[in-house]
Amino acid sequence: GAGVSQSPSNKVTEKGKDVELRCDPISGHTALYWYRQSLGQGLEFLIYFQGNSAPDKSGLPSDRFSAERTGGSVSTLTIQRTQQEDSAVYLCASSLVEKRTEAFFGQGTRLTVV
Amino acid sequence: KQEVTQIPAALSVPEGENLVLNCSFTDSAIYNLQWFRQDPGKGLTSLLLIQSSQREQTSGRLNASLDKSSGRSTLYIAASQPGDSATYLCAVKSGGSNYKLTFGKGTLLTVNP
Repeated sequence: GAGVSQSPSNKVTEKGKDVELRCDPISGHTALYWYRQSLGQGLEFLIYFQGNSAPDKSGLPSDRFSAERTGGSVSTLTIQRTQQEDSAVYLCASSLVEKRTEAFFGQGTRLTVV
Repeated sequence: KQEVTQIPAALSVPEGENLVLNCSFTDSAIYNLQWFRQDPGKGLTSLLLIQSSQREQTSGRLNASLDKSSGRSTLYIAASQPGDSATYLCAVKSGGSNYKLTFGKGTLLTVNP
């Protein structure tokens, strides 16, 4: 596709349920980032995938959060046993892996836990 | 640990005014700095990318400068318009081989007609 695509755009879930958020990066981009943006807060780094290297998971807030990237393309962020504090906009970005390149963001998934 | 600060947190100006948004970062070992725009409820739109070896970049009415040694960048918006109203975020790419993007909290700009 022409840009980074995220789905769903909105998700309302009940506390305790599991959710999966999907990100389709720009074709050919081997670097992929997930960020979280809570109401009134800045962007919080969650996880970074770079080609076939082990992902940088240092930003995941708890073991309820996990992410995978299949075939070096599509990524899925999974939140298990959702809590109300997980409500936020989850943003995905991709870039060419070279360090000097530009990052492009998707439109985000707005997650609301009720 | 890289930290990015943006000042001011919010800015309100009349239409037509020139304005400057500020971004500072604590670790000067960056690869590049990127300015983004975010409209309410939307994702981030990339505005300008400045490589660590560059001093400035221009796109239309936007001009971004970078002083890596002092850890500062500015985004200059000329002849502001109501359509420029948005949150402006700066991000630096650093962190060894992980190329992590670290963001400031943004400046909320309102341009009044």
